[in-house]
Amino acid sequence: DGGITQSPKYLFRKEGQNVTLSCEQNLNHDAMYWYRQDPGQGLRLIYYSQIVNDFQKGDIAEGYSVSREKKESFPLTVTSAQKNPTAFYLCASRNLIRDRDSNYGYTFGSGTRLTVV
Amino acid sequence: GQQLNQSPQSMFIQEGEDVSMNCTSSSIFNTWLWYKQDPGEGPVLLIALYKAGELTSNGRLTAQFGITRKDSFLNISASIPSDVGIYFCAGRSGGSNYKLTFGKGTLLTVNP
Repeated sequence: DGGITQSPKYLFRKEGQNVTLSCEQNLNHDAMYWYRQDPGQGLRLIYYSQIVNDFQKGDIAEGYSVSREKKESFPLTVTSAQKNPTAFYLCASRNLIRDRDSNYGYTFGSGTRLTVV
Repeated sequence: GQQLNQSPQSMFIQEGEDVSMNCTSSSIFNTWLWYKQDPGEGPVLLIALYKAGELTSNGRLTAQFGITRKDSFLNISASIPSDVGIYFCAGRSGGSNYKLTFGKGTLLTVNP
């Protein structure tokens, strides 16, 4: 079955370290997104990508970096410049064209909970 | 940027009760979507709406796309314990095909 996979589920980072969160999809979706979720804050967009080798900053990109070398993969690196990285991170993907099998909606992964120790 | 106001922020109800939540926007959207997020998981799409005035059901869930295109509501009838979670609305405007704007969510608790 097609889906979107995030790994790891739980990640612990020491202060000053960079960590990379994985996101892989086999849905053949064009666009991929990274969101950060904090209690009471809803979903805030970090980065997004519509095509391979291209990506744009979202609303809270500072301290994060991404790459899109393959259509299926959109890893997120949380750098040491991100001052408050403890959060739940969600990856999503979607088709850019609506057809009978898509609906403009995102398909989300199951998330990665990052904790700074 | 665009913002969605989702209310209420949280609800505590008894099993069997009906629930209603809504989202409003200062700008027009062409698509409204409703998601549910279980604890520790990613959101899952419940209902998608594409036309002003559209009313769509999915089991015990009913959602409507407001006539003004600036609001949407979600109703849950005869709630059950597994309805617990965070419900998000999301909107897509014609000028930003590539990303959705999300509300801050409604946390629903159902007491058995």
